[in-house]
Parts: sequence; structure tokens; C-alpha cells
Amino acid sequence: GAGVSQSPSNKVTEKGKDVELRCDPISGHTALYWYRQSLGQGLEFLIYFQGNSAPDKSGLPSDRFSAERTGGSVSTLTIQRTQQEDSAVYLCASSSPQDYEQYFGPGTRLTVT
Amino acid sequence: RKEVEQDPGPFNVPEGATVAFNCTYSNSASQSFFWYRQDCRKEPKLLMSVYSSGNEDGRFTAQLNRASQYISLLIRDSKLSDSATYLCAVNTPGTYKYIFGTGTRLKVLA
Repeated sequence: GAGVSQSPSNKVTEKGKDVELRCDPISGHTALYWYRQSLGQGLEFLIYFQGNSAPDKSGLPSDRFSAERTGGSVSTLTIQRTQQEDSAVYLCASSSPQDYEQYFGPGTRLTVT
Repeated sequence: RKEVEQDPGPFNVPEGATVAFNCTYSNSASQSFFWYRQDCRKEPKLLMSVYSSGNEDGRFTAQLNRASQYISLLIRDSKLSDSATYLCAVNTPGTYKYIFGTGTRLKVLA
């Protein structure tokens, strides 16, 4: 079946602009996660959604970052007033409530110039 | 102490060798553990769940040591294609939030 998809695959933006990153999880997966990975670094947890529960936003680095998940499916991560330090690969993952094995999308490579 | 720690490596091993990595975690109440494999400039891919009784999948064996708070991944008969970064993931107790280690890099040499 279809895996997790993310768009765009690459995004170059100017400092100060807003960007929106999209994630389409595996059908039936109730949990959705966003992570950030800088070059040569590990995965940094940003936010996760589980069903209709309030999202865990504890990893968002600043109030410039926000995310929503509409209809329990597609999620959008928004970064306002982008800074150069926001440059990274943003990865989305989804998992089922049975086993919480996370399946990752291919990521969005964000470059802020 | 970091919540999840891994030796960054690299571990350089010859083909056919057996290699093991550990991943230590700080919260003794963590219940859910996974190993992922990440190739250069690719997304992580699930390798194995880690069960309390240990589990094996072909050349790969994962174990959990609760007393010492670490999980391990053993790779037998290493192949060139095993060269990658191996990430562990540990849940924050009471949640389904996972913290990933920074990864251990493995290079299998011909």
C-alpha cells in the first residue's frame, strides 16, 4: 500500500518568509509525528498527534512553529518568519495504535537563504 | 545525562564479522523500543521492534536489558549492504512520544 508522503521534497525560501510543509500519513494510522534532522545530526522530535487527543507540542523550538492535522489525516507544519537555523530535513512519520512502529516519509529538505 | 545515548562510531568491520551496538536510555519506566536503519540522505526505516524477551530476524538480534537500561542490536555475518546509520528509539513513559538516539554509523568493508 501507499506509504507516508510529504511535499514538497525540497523547499528553498528567503529568510523571513513563511513556509508550509505537508504530510499525508498511511491510511488508518492514527498517530502522526514531525521530526527535524539537521545535517549529520539525530532526529529532533517536534510534535505528535494521536487520534482526537490534544497534540504533544513539547518539541516545537519556538512559537514560529505550528502544526495542525485536519480530519485526523493530513498534517501541515508551518514555520513563520523562517531563519537560517531552520534549514534542515523535516520528516513526518505515522504509526498505528496497535504497535506504534513508525513509518517515515521521504522528508522535506528546507533551505533558508 | 541525555535521555537516549548511542556511540556515534563509526564502527568499521570486515564483511562477515559480527558487530553489536548499544543504546542506553535514562528513564527506567520506558516501555517501547525500536531500532531503525538510516541510509545517507534517506529517511529512517524500521528495522526491528525490541521485545523484553529479545527478538531475532535473520542476521539481526535485538535485546533489552532493563536492569542496565539499554537495548542492543547484534548483526551477524555483516554484508556491505549493512553499511548505514542505526538509530534507536525509546518512548517517553506514559506517552507515545519517542526520543531517537543520534545514531551509530556502521561501515562494512570488503
